[in-house]
Amino acid sequence: DAMVIQNPRYQVTQFGKPVTLSCSQTLNHNVMYWYQQKSSQAPKLLFHYYDKDFNNEADTPDNFQSRRPNTSFCFLDIRSPGLGDAAMYLCATSAAGGGTAKNIQYFGAGTRLSVL
Amino acid sequence: GQNIDQPTEMTATEGAIVQINCTYQTSGFNGLFWYQQHAGEAPTFLSYNVLDGLEEKGRFSSFLSRSKGYSYLLLKELQMKDSASYLCAVSLDTDKLIFGTGTRLQVFP
Repeated sequence: DAMVIQNPRYQVTQFGKPVTLSCSQTLNHNVMYWYQQKSSQAPKLLFHYYDKDFNNEADTPDNFQSRRPNTSFCFLDIRSPGLGDAAMYLCATSAAGGGTAKNIQYFGAGTRLSVL
Repeated sequence: GQNIDQPTEMTATEGAIVQINCTYQTSGFNGLFWYQQHAGEAPTFLSYNVLDGLEEKGRFSSFLSRSKGYSYLLLKELQMKDSASYLCAVSLDTDKLIFGTGTRLQVFP
């Protein structure tokens, strides 16, 4: 059973046209992450939510925004996609806290974004 | 800054043993993870080390030396399905991981 679900798997957008990627989870984890992964590169953390608390990485462009309306769902909004934003976008969840450092992150299958 | 180094590519033969190394220099350390990622798919968790030593899980084992900033993933009895990228990731605190660029392993018959 899929536990972290990303839709769509493939997304094509036009240069400058806003696009939203979605992620849902059935694990009831309190932390959700968005990563950007370009070909042959490491996943790069864009931001994460600890419950409703939003944590932005210092080098994440303002063009990237996120929303988490409830525990199960999280959205990545790219306001004006550029050619350099073409990448795989990965959503992950974890059950943080509880005094344990074994904070396994569970990933969705990713959304591959193309910008034309 | 944070730095995690892994070899870019490795090749091995079906049935053999392969060791994938990872060295790290990070501002903090709260554990090291190994993930497997098949092409076009999500990373999946393989192993976690926070104390020095070897953790064994079936055909896969992972080793950590905190004093040396070094880890390796050992894959035994290689199978064709083990062809994938293997990502080393360091936990800086309990909520965030820093990933290496991954090692692409190709297993040949």
